[in-house]
Amino acid sequence: AQSVTQLDSQVPVFEEAPVELRCNYSSSVSVYLFWYVQYPNQGLQLLLKYLSGSTLVKGINGFEAEFNKSQTSFHLRKPSVHISDTAEYFCAVCAGGSYIPTFGRGTSLIVHP
Amino acid sequence: NAGVTQTPKFQVLKTGQSMTLQCAQDMNHEYMSWYRQDPGMGLRLIHYSVGAGITDQGEVPNGYNVSRSTTEDFPLRLLSAAPSQTSVYFCASRDAAGGGDTQYFGPGTRLTVL
Repeated sequence: AQSVTQLDSQVPVFEEAPVELRCNYSSSVSVYLFWYVQYPNQGLQLLLKYLSGSTLVKGINGFEAEFNKSQTSFHLRKPSVHISDTAEYFCAVCAGGSYIPTFGRGTSLIVHP
Repeated sequence: NAGVTQTPKFQVLKTGQSMTLQCAQDMNHEYMSWYRQDPGMGLRLIHYSVGAGITDQGEVPNGYNVSRSTTEDFPLRLLSAAPSQTSVYFCASRDAAGGGDTQYFGPGTRLTVL
């Protein structure tokens, strides 16, 4: 079975500050990991994904995430956020040959001026 | 490419009414799925399809029907709407049934059941 936990439902941060959105997964087999972003009143779009290889994955809009197998984590980071990064962020996992991803409950990133 | 399109954008129904949410994609994707999004619940899978003529249930299928007669279209039918089905519905597609493939989402349908 696969599951995803996003530890923070809401993360407030000031503009130009760094941010980390946390994601932990549960799976005993190999995984594919994803971060999606949902801007207000829109559908989800892919930020980045980890399939294999380098554990540091770079995505769009300056975001990056690090796959940590020992801690079963895939935290999302950005060194300096903008107002336009205000959105809902979803972590997702696809494990062990399954082709059906499981999504976390989402983290609302709120960037204040 | 229009990507994944959904209609309508908004809908209000009365309890017991039926309706169909439309989803179409023009990327020739084999895999399509329907999710509902509720506050604090994230995305929950309703039904999915791995190709024309093949559908299966997801995590929360009760009260919903689907069919897949063409690669492009994957409509979601509510047979008798209930207030518990008030939600935002997203359709998604991806190239194949590979777990590592990116999903492409439509803009969503916001449904209110009174």
